Amino acid sequence: DAGVIQSPRHEVTEMGQEVTLRCKPISGHDYLFWYRQTMMRGLELLIYFNNNVPIDDSGMPEDRFSAKMPNASFSTLKIQPSEPRDSAVYFCASSGTINQPQHFGDGTRLSIL
Amino acid sequence: AQTVTQSQPEMSVQEAETVTLSCTYDTSESDYYLFWYKQPPSRQMILVIRQEAYKQQNATENRFSVNFQKAAKSFSLKISDSQLGDAAMYFCAYRSRTSGTYKYIFGTGTRLKVLA
Repeated sequence: DAGVIQSPRHEVTEMGQEVTLRCKPISGHDYLFWYRQTMMRGLELLIYFNNNVPIDDSGMPEDRFSAKMPNASFSTLKIQPSEPRDSAVYFCASSGTINQPQHFGDGTRLSIL
Repeated sequence: AQTVTQSQPEMSVQEAETVTLSCTYDTSESDYYLFWYKQPPSRQMILVIRQEAYKQQNATENRFSVNFQKAAKSFSLKISDSQLGDAAMYFCAYRSRTSGTYKYIFGTGTRLKVLA
């Protein structure tokens, strides 16, 4: 299995621009999670989906952040407009059943200038 | 609300020696999972070991084992025969089994250095 695939691996853009992060979960996994990791706040759960439906988005920091999962094999996390404080590593993770552990992608390092 | 605390920002261990990373948590729930994840410089988060709270037996995975003290809400990770490849950030995490949420709560991590 290829594991959770995230793209891009690195993104550098100017503030105000729209940023789209992509994730392909492990095939057959019903749960998908988006995390943000910063030095100050550690690893924070932003949102998670079950069977493509958003279940808990209480971790999404602002309306500038949005996430979609149009099908079982693809999800996006979008920031519009981006700000320098959004700079972080964003992880996507997926899990099979509710009792199975999460498998993480390699993360996207986002830098907003 | 549940919390996870890792009080050791950084630890060092000599190659081939044993090291223990500490983790404490706070919860009012009785059924939950605890995890240790490893994050090497490559950035990927790798599951090291998992413990189910209802199991009294401590989980073991090769050189990795945990000391799960449910009453004390403590979940430490022991790495035996440390290897250079063990150098990484280690995160302790909690997940409820009863609250209906699938949220993981992570500690702030412990950076482990392995000295040759």
